[in-house]
Amino acid sequence: NAGVTQTPKFRVLKTGQSMTLLCAQDMNHEYMYWYRQDPGMGLRLIHYSVGEGTTAKGEVPDGYNVSRLKKQNFLLGLESAAPSQTSVYFCASSPQNEQFFGPGTRLTVL
Amino acid sequence: AQSVTQLDSQVPVFEEAPVELRCNYSSSVSVYLFWYVQYPNQGLQLLLKYLSGSTLVESINGFEAEFNKSQTSFHLRKPSVHISDTAEYFCAVSRTTRGGADGLTFGKGTHLIIQP
Repeated sequence: NAGVTQTPKFRVLKTGQSMTLLCAQDMNHEYMYWYRQDPGMGLRLIHYSVGEGTTAKGEVPDGYNVSRLKKQNFLLGLESAAPSQTSVYFCASSPQNEQFFGPGTRLTVL
Repeated sequence: AQSVTQLDSQVPVFEEAPVELRCNYSSSVSVYLFWYVQYPNQGLQLLLKYLSGSTLVESINGFEAEFNKSQTSFHLRKPSVHISDTAEYFCAVSRTTRGGADGLTFGKGTHLIIQP
């Protein structure tokens, strides 16, 4: 099993560009999450999903959209990237209680 | 809402010495508690968790944490650290409703630095 995978690993964007981050899990987990990690801030929840076709806002949802069309995939979209969205993005999945994290995507917005 | 406070942003300690990383939380509802470890340029790995039962939980690599409900704490300890324990450690909580479906609330992390 690959566990939780994230695509891409690195990306540099210019302000105003759009992009989609892909998270995939092969563990048949119901719950999936997107977090961002910034220096000295820990991880903060952006959006999450408790099942296929459902999404909900987390602590810092502004500027991001998500979709969960298939149970195994959770997409995070940036419609118009801003320098404040420079961060490391982590996806996680969970059957319940415990979360399993992907390796992260390092995004820089110039 | 929940909040997590990790009292030390950085803890230097000599190899083979004991260490304690402190974590306090605030919540109006019951929570599950976790410690995650992040090695440089990697994702997060679960170190240990408290869901219910015994308040003392242990990991396979010698760490332990004790849930203290009255002090709302979940401090992480290890009696003798190794160079390989150098990493960032995150304390986190989730609400117990729906098996923690609403996600984790993290502390800001503690950087454990092991000195030879």
